Amino acid sequence: DIQMTQSPSSLSASVGDRVTITCQASQDIKNYLNWYQQKPGKAPKLLIYDASNLETGVPSRFSGSGSGTEFTFTISSLQPEDFATYYCQQYDNLPPLTFGGGTKVEMK
Amino acid sequence: EVQLVESGGAVVQPGGSLRLSCDASGFTFDDYAMHWVRQAPGKGLEWISLITWDGGDTYYAASVKGRFTISRDNGKDTLYLQMNSLRTEDTAFYYCAKDFLYDAFGGFDHWGQGTLVTVSS
Repeated sequence: DIQMTQSPSSLSASVGDRVTITCQASQDIKNYLNWYQQKPGKAPKLLIYDASNLETGVPSRFSGSGSGTEFTFTISSLQPEDFATYYCQQYDNLPPLTFGGGTKVEMK
Repeated sequence: EVQLVESGGAVVQPGGSLRLSCDASGFTFDDYAMHWVRQAPGKGLEWISLITWDGGDTYYAASVKGRFTISRDNGKDTLYLQMNSLRTEDTAFYYCAKDFLYDAFGGFDHWGQGTLVTVSS
């Protein structure tokens, strides 16, 4: 199974900050990598698919990059509604589809 | 508007069984693979099962294989998860999710609100 290692597991940031989260795959997954946002008590929401494609309706301050085993998720200017937990997920080799452990973005 | 509504969550004793349902609307149900994803309270996301658009193929995580069965009724636009031999570690919110790929599978672009399964004596 492919393991997804996400870092950091949590971070503190202020409104307006640039936030970067990384996800490392245990083997080459090409660009088969998605990013999700989850707020407390809510279902996850797809933000980025295929490593760098913005899902319809998602603000352009969110972006993703990378291929192979190293991926990056960036919020260019953190907004109050962005405090949440973010997950990466691979689908190159399934089953299983695997998620990273999550990154909780908290207010500094 | 795509809507996924899960039901069937309950408190059940270890070794018991439960069937979850997910009613889908707002899209052509039989064009897409469907998934179940769970999340233990305070923990991360765990994919547990997928079924192809026609129900012809099913896949499971090792943690549930042999105990859980995914199925679908395309005539009723409904997804199911039959859970047998439940364990305390199966306690979680269970989400149904629609795949974001047409005629393939890879991720989740719409999710239900989740239904809570608690396994406890």
